[in-house]
Amino acid sequence: SQQGEEDPQALSIQEGENATMNCSYKTSINNLQWYRQNSGRGLVHLILIRSNEREKHSGRLRVTLDTSKKSSSLLITASRAADTASYFCATDAERDDKIIFGKGTRLHILP
Amino acid sequence: DTEVTQTPKHLVMGMTNKKSLKCEQHMGHRAMYWYKQKAKKPPELMFVYSYEKLSINESVPSRFSPECPNSSLLNLHLHALQPEDSALYLCASSQGLYNEQFFGPGTRLTVL
Repeated sequence: SQQGEEDPQALSIQEGENATMNCSYKTSINNLQWYRQNSGRGLVHLILIRSNEREKHSGRLRVTLDTSKKSSSLLITASRAADTASYFCATDAERDDKIIFGKGTRLHILP
Repeated sequence: DTEVTQTPKHLVMGMTNKKSLKCEQHMGHRAMYWYKQKAKKPPELMFVYSYEKLSINESVPSRFSPECPNSSLLNLHLHALQPEDSALYLCASSQGLYNEQFFGPGTRLTVL
């Protein structure tokens, strides 16, 4: 069964607005990662946050992690057309050697 | 070189064919992965190699056979596939099992 579940499944916003995506997971984790995938292409790693971290920034990206609620959020500020993509969270369970991807959020930035 | 390359980009094969997908990285990564991805779905893990040894096989049918000839190369041998095996096959590598993964562009496979 999948570890991460993103919410919403799809999101359309105007260019310049902020986009927020959420990820919930079920078991204790070591790390949580966010990836972006443009249509039909390979995934690109965005950010990794460790279980003992609460917030991390990278450029226009801000990721938070709440281990008590088993959830994470990805905020993209000042969105651009190039941000149109699918975004996946990926988690590794503490007692497992693999990373499981959530179902993803399809983000569409409107001009 | 921070790139994972995959060949071919596209592959069309019949159900009786034998073909191979290839993946290469020169980042010194010791973990390499095969994923299968259907349209509008997340990548599904198929195999994980760690230090050139198969560490995870996610109950993948035997018509898919992975091979890791050396630390830079990963192959996926295909034989007697079914039309439902049509998908994007992604290769990835990472420094360790829990580190960020670098993905190749994928091979779009169509089984007729």
